[in-house]
Amino acid sequence: QSVLTQPPSVSAAPGQKVSISCSGNSSNIGLNYISWYQQFPGTVPKLLIYDNNKRPSGIPDRFSGSKSGTSATLGITGLQTGDEADYYCGIWDSSLSAYFFGTATKVTVL
Amino acid sequence: QLQLQESGPGLMKPSETLSLTCTVSGGSISTNDYYWGWIRQPPGKALEWIGTIYSRGSTFYNPSLKSRLIMSLDTSKNRFSLILTSVTAADTAVYYCVRSRVKATPADHFDSWGQGTLVTVSS
Repeated sequence: QSVLTQPPSVSAAPGQKVSISCSGNSSNIGLNYISWYQQFPGTVPKLLIYDNNKRPSGIPDRFSGSKSGTSATLGITGLQTGDEADYYCGIWDSSLSAYFFGTATKVTVL
Repeated sequence: QLQLQESGPGLMKPSETLSLTCTVSGGSISTNDYYWGWIRQPPGKALEWIGTIYSRGSTFYNPSLKSRLIMSLDTSKNRFSLILTSVTAADTAVYYCVRSRVKATPADHFDSWGQGTLVTVSS
């Protein structure tokens, strides 16, 4: 049972923008840094965003992260068919003393 | 370049003890800059954090697994391990070993992942 809630799916046409929300509470998102991961079917998850809004080397600036209060958002602009994947948010919960991943959001390019 | 490689049994029977090892190359697990850990993913389901170990031996476990879990480091062989006792079908998953930069919390973001190893628990 995750403490982070994500929409099961989002979709948009190529070139458009999608936003994926991650909702938590004051013990996790309200307190600590959030990160985001991309996972294609059958492959290893890859870090997309860390420290709420930083991108590791090699991650295009089409991917962005933000946080406000107890919610965070991953944005993908200029959507490409190659962005079709599952996306997870992740964070440490200081109350439960555990790291949690979100419930995953599947991005579909129409 | 850092590489992590899991090794494990593949197929197990219920009640057995799972032992997984992650061999690290291209970097030292003795560093004070990173934690090392495990994450698993049951087939078709979300990622689940298992636990984290620090170079000085400190461990942080998922409370839901804590009673069955032991993690350890072998600095002489640059590898770390996981032991999970009394496995059931619910422990069937791909197990990933990971690296996390040392921050204010025992796990922050996972910037390096192994390829994963599938562990199936079945009678």
